[in-house]
Amino acid sequence: NAGVTQTPKFRILKIGQSMTLQCAQDMNHNYMYWYRQDPGMGLKLIYYSVGAGITDKGEVPNGYNVSRSTTEDFPLRLELAAPSQTSVYFCASRGGRIIYGYTFGSGTRLTVV
Amino acid sequence: GIQVEQSPPDLILQEGANSTLRCNFSDSVNNLQWFHQNPWGQLINLFYIPSGTKQNGRLSATTVATERYSLLYISSSQTTDSGVYFCAVAIIQGAQKLVFGQGTRLTINP
Repeated sequence: NAGVTQTPKFRILKIGQSMTLQCAQDMNHNYMYWYRQDPGMGLKLIYYSVGAGITDKGEVPNGYNVSRSTTEDFPLRLELAAPSQTSVYFCASRGGRIIYGYTFGSGTRLTVV
Repeated sequence: GIQVEQSPPDLILQEGANSTLRCNFSDSVNNLQWFHQNPWGQLINLFYIPSGTKQNGRLSATTVATERYSLLYISSSQTTDSGVYFCAVAIIQGAQKLVFGQGTRLTINP
């Protein structure tokens, strides 16, 4: 049972480039989330999904897009990367019962130069 | 939106000491969770505790929902307890979008 798997772990982008951060979970969780963590700060919600085909914006969605074609996968797309998107990105999932908590991936550290 | 404030921002202790971390939130919540982020960046869910008290080994947590605060207690600290502790809350059913505090950075020295 791998839990939540994020790839890549590290990436350096040039300003204006695009990339997709991958997130996959093998726990059959309906709910999935993308957060970003800036240095010394807490996590902020970018996008979330309550099931395949259903996504919605979080607190800081500008500059990002998501899709959820399967229960397992929830990729995050960065278009026209900007230095302000330098951050650590975490994907998380949870099952239907909140009491079992969230499972976080190990994160993707992205630097835009 | 809901505000989450954690205190203290930083805490440095010797191994074996006890500590109390506090989380205040600005609105009624139906979900409150404590997370530990270890020095390698990994986030671990410690407690789901929208109200009441829970204990897990040397860690325990208490949430007083009517007064909008939660406390995380760490007893007999070990160096492996070092890291950042986050409180996160949600007020809406369904998607349960967590709002995180800025964290308390705990350093346990040997």
